Amino acid sequence: DAKTTQPTSMDCAEGRAANLPCNHSTISGNEYVYWYRQIHSQGPQYIIHGLKNNETNEMASLIITEDRKSSTLILPHATLRDTAVYYCIVRVVGGGSNYKLTFGKGTLLTVNP
Amino acid sequence: NAGVMQNPRHLVRRRGQEARLRCSPMKGHSHVYWYRQLPEEGLKFMVYLQKENIIDESGMPKERFSAEFPKEGPSILRIQQVVRGDSAAYFCASSPVQGPVAPYEQYFGPGTRLTVT
Repeated sequence: DAKTTQPTSMDCAEGRAANLPCNHSTISGNEYVYWYRQIHSQGPQYIIHGLKNNETNEMASLIITEDRKSSTLILPHATLRDTAVYYCIVRVVGGGSNYKLTFGKGTLLTVNP
Repeated sequence: NAGVMQNPRHLVRRRGQEARLRCSPMKGHSHVYWYRQLPEEGLKFMVYLQKENIIDESGMPKERFSAEFPKEGPSILRIQQVVRGDSAAYFCASSPVQGPVAPYEQYFGPGTRLTVT
């Protein structure tokens, strides 16, 4: 699986949009980009995933660049409860061990009042 | 629909004792995964099981650790003769299927925090 690079930490004001970047410059054509988050002392929570098109759900939006080398997770109106470590994960599609989630260090997002 | 359930949430064991961690997947999910998170580290894959089958245990230590997912009942992660280095949070996740094309998202339980004294 391709490696990902994320900033160690970010701050965001409550009510503002939080934009979390992820670099995955070695991503290959059959790899998805997944985002999970882990609120302190809880299990990871699935947020969103995409292949090459931008995606949106009730939690967030995922913007993937045209060359697929980077992506941005957007929380449109961050709340204090969004304070968590956010993990960007690249997963291969098709066969092999694509069920494994490989977690890096992620980005600690702190939402401030 | 209840989420993934794990028990106990906290477990304290003395060195040399056995630890048994239980995981009940979400209803309708037949695939279970165990991950371990050591203090100040990221989650690491340990083992992937389907009902009555271990599919991949490549992330599990070769000794003292075992996992099962019987036909009936929860999945069990068993650690024999625990040592201080086993102290960690153990998370279980489940998914409905695993297709050859699109990987399915995994839903995690709240974890079991094991402390070895």
